[in-house]
Amino acid sequence: GNSVTQMEGPVTLSEEAFLTINCTYTATGYPSLFWYVQYPGEGLQLLLKATKADDKGSNKGFEATYRKETTSFHLEKGSVQVSDSAVYFCALRPGRDMRFGAGTRLTVKP
Amino acid sequence: GAGVSQSPRYKVAKRGQDVALRCDPISGHVSLFWYQQALGQGPEFLTYFQNEAQLDKSGLPSDRFFAERPEGSVSTLKIQRTQQEDSAVYLCASSSQGGSGRSTDTQYFGPGTRLTVL
Repeated sequence: GNSVTQMEGPVTLSEEAFLTINCTYTATGYPSLFWYVQYPGEGLQLLLKATKADDKGSNKGFEATYRKETTSFHLEKGSVQVSDSAVYFCALRPGRDMRFGAGTRLTVKP
Repeated sequence: GAGVSQSPRYKVAKRGQDVALRCDPISGHVSLFWYQQALGQGPEFLTYFQNEAQLDKSGLPSDRFFAERPEGSVSTLKIQRTQQEDSAVYLCASSSQGGSGRSTDTQYFGPGTRLTVL
């Protein structure tokens, strides 16, 4: 089946620390991969995406590379800010619908 | 509109009541999706519309759940005889493309309706 497993949280970092949130997937075929972010009190927002192997998605200093050989799409940011505090969801889209991971809550402290 | 809107934002229902949740997708978007997000979990797919046609309802948890999009724009998710396990946030998303099979277009999500069944 198609599913996503992402790093359990919560994750707490100090400002300017390096962030990695792991995401691995199981899929038949060649899904598109996404990271969505949910800020407190807001809806899901697309953070970045990659549609084929070796693609790198990037946005707002975040990046993730579609690794077919390791079936991974880890999210990274070199220097987090307090404003990055949110819940991050990894997702895959094998067809029309999206399959989401359980989410990782990130808290960045000043 | 500028984005996907949903109403109401919060709904409290007594067990056994019927509820109706509304979604206004981005104007012109062909595809519309409903998801259910339980507390502390990621969204789970419920159903999919391409224009007014409901092409996939495999995620609907029971026959108490019903969705429609009669004119290919606004959609309503109806839950009959609500149960406590229906308590969740219901998310609507839309995307510009339709078609079958693998899709790369972005889904834009609304803020959700938080349903609490007492």
